Amino acid sequence: QSALTQPASVSGSPGQSITISCTGTSSDVGGYNYVSWYQQYPGKAPKLMIYDVSNRPSGVSNRFSGSKSGDTASLTISGLQAEDEADYYCSSYTSSSTYVFGTGTKVTVL
Amino acid sequence: QVQLVQSGAEVKKPGASVKVSCKASGYTFTSYYMHWVRQAPGQGLEWMGIINPSGDSTSYAQKFQGRVTMTRDTSTTTVYMELSSLRSEDTAVYYCAKDRGTFAIDYWGQGTLVTVSS
Repeated sequence: QSALTQPASVSGSPGQSITISCTGTSSDVGGYNYVSWYQQYPGKAPKLMIYDVSNRPSGVSNRFSGSKSGDTASLTISGLQAEDEADYYCSSYTSSSTYVFGTGTKVTVL
Repeated sequence: QVQLVQSGAEVKKPGASVKVSCKASGYTFTSYYMHWVRQAPGQGLEWMGIINPSGDSTSYAQKFQGRVTMTRDTSTTTVYMELSSLRSEDTAVYYCAKDRGTFAIDYWGQGTLVTVSS
């Protein structure tokens, strides 16, 4: 199972919106509505930001939203803030009853 | 509150095995699957496998098949991950992580650094 493909880095200015893509196949992202997104600060454990493609856990800012089209899922961060600077990973359930993470995206706030 | 407390850092020689523990509390242990995820220094997250604490069934990433074993002890609400035939590339932080029940991870352990070095 190959890792899902994410851009290595995305940047934006405070207040702007950015979108991170996560491309898989019909055997993972395209086949199930079980895509999740995680935020990770250096030296810390990841934090769940989005589950089931577009649902936010309690306590996660509504500036974070998720969507999916075909084999590509996306995470959008609106009203970018300095605290959003972190690494972001997508994840998907797969047809092999396993999970796979994305390659990770470093978000930089300019 | 949900807590996942992992065992301490390990240093192992190539070819050896390591067993990492993860004690869960604050929720019904047998109701939620547990994942193991690792992260090599400066690298991304890598899913290793999952265990059902209720029935002891497991599913492993193909990459680790034959080298990883995940088990649980319901009496102590602890899950274990054992990785054998260690090589330098296995140097990483290993996390246990609780599934929320909808194929996503909602709680993570603090991580256990495993260093493989001769």
